Order: sequence, then structure tokens, then C-alpha cells
Amino acid sequence: AQSVAQPEDQVNVAEGNPLTVKCTYSVSGNPYLFWYVQYPNRGLQFLLKYITGDNLVKGSYGFEAEFNKSQTSFHLKKPSALVSDSALYFCAVRDIRQDVRFGAGTRLTVKP
Amino acid sequence: NAGVTQTPKFRVLKTGQSMTLLCAQDMNHEYMYWYRQDPGMGLRLIHYSVGEGTTAKGEVPDGYNVSRLKKQNFLLGLESAAPSQTSVYFCASSYSPRGGEQYFGPGTRLTVT
Repeated sequence: AQSVAQPEDQVNVAEGNPLTVKCTYSVSGNPYLFWYVQYPNRGLQFLLKYITGDNLVKGSYGFEAEFNKSQTSFHLKKPSALVSDSALYFCAVRDIRQDVRFGAGTRLTVKP
Repeated sequence: NAGVTQTPKFRVLKTGQSMTLLCAQDMNHEYMYWYRQDPGMGLRLIHYSVGEGTTAKGEVPDGYNVSRLKKQNFLLGLESAAPSQTSVYFCASSYSPRGGEQYFGPGTRLTVT
């Protein structure tokens, strides 16, 4: 079965600095990879996805993610963090079946 | 266009009681999902549906049942609630089985005492 690991429970960055939230995955066949964000007391919101093609994927709110097949990673990045980016971030993977596996989540805190 | 809605938003049950959580989507999506979210564990898939009249087990199906009688609705039932089912429950839908992103509802916070 597919699985996702987010090795960091918490990431702290200063506003204006670049941020990276890490994700590694394990899946049979070609992966379908997703990033979602969750603000307090809200459902998850889609940020971006990798299906095929260019390894650098651009998404909402200035976020991007780099797919690395050899390292089985799909790290989320942003060149300049905002305080409003503070939230819980989830990586997810889907294989040839219909179900999805989510990582445990990484809490991002951006300090002014 | 309301997207994905869930009712109720909050519920407190006593051990052994039953309840049904309702999820509705107005995006004509074929695929629907029920997850539970627990601290430090991310989201875990309970059951999912690939179309009207079909359901399948996910990662943690025990103690739950589901039904998809209409395309727009996906019901999650707890027959005999247990304290271990205290959680936040999220419903989601998607238009594609693999490449489509999921659209989530606002969640239902369930406490079982």
C-alpha cells in the first residue's frame, strides 16, 4: 500500500525567508501527489498536484513543489514566506487505486 | 455553489448510541470519501465511493458503515459509538479517480463520552 511521510512536525521560518515543507512517499507505479493546507477549524484546501510532466509544479498562493522520482520526494516550497501562510500542511499520495494516503501533517509557523 | 457541506457541525454522543453524518456535494463529482482526523495522525480514510450505489473500505473502516444512494450524498453511520471514535470527520469529493484533487467539507467534530 502507498504511504506518505512528513518528517517534520513543525517548521518555523521568519517572514520573507524561503520555506520548505518536506514530503516523501512510497507507492507502486506512477504516483499522483498532492499538497493541501488546513487553517484552524476549517477543511483542507487544495494547493497543488503532480500528475505527470514538469517536475516543478506551481500552485496557489505562490507555492510550488518539486517532484524528485529518484528520492521519492515532493517537497513544498515558497520563495518568501508570509505570516498568513501559517497553517497545517498535508502531503497526499494516490496510486492506481481510488484511495488516498495522507501524511501526518506539518505545522508551519511564520514569524514576523 | 456550496461545494461540499456536512451536517451536523458538532455532536456529542454517549457510548453505544448511533448517529449518521451527512455529506452533500453539488459539483456532480463521482467520487466521495470519508476521513477522520486525529492529532498527530493526519487524515485516515474510512470509506469511499466511486459512484452512486457503490462503496469500498478504506484504511480504518471498522465501526463505520456508509451508503451512497444518491450521487450527491454520502452518509457515514456509527452503529454503536465508542470513545475511540471521538474525532473530527471530513467528507471530500473529487471529479477524477486519480488525478483529481479533493474538495473538502468543513468537518464534523464528534465527541463520544
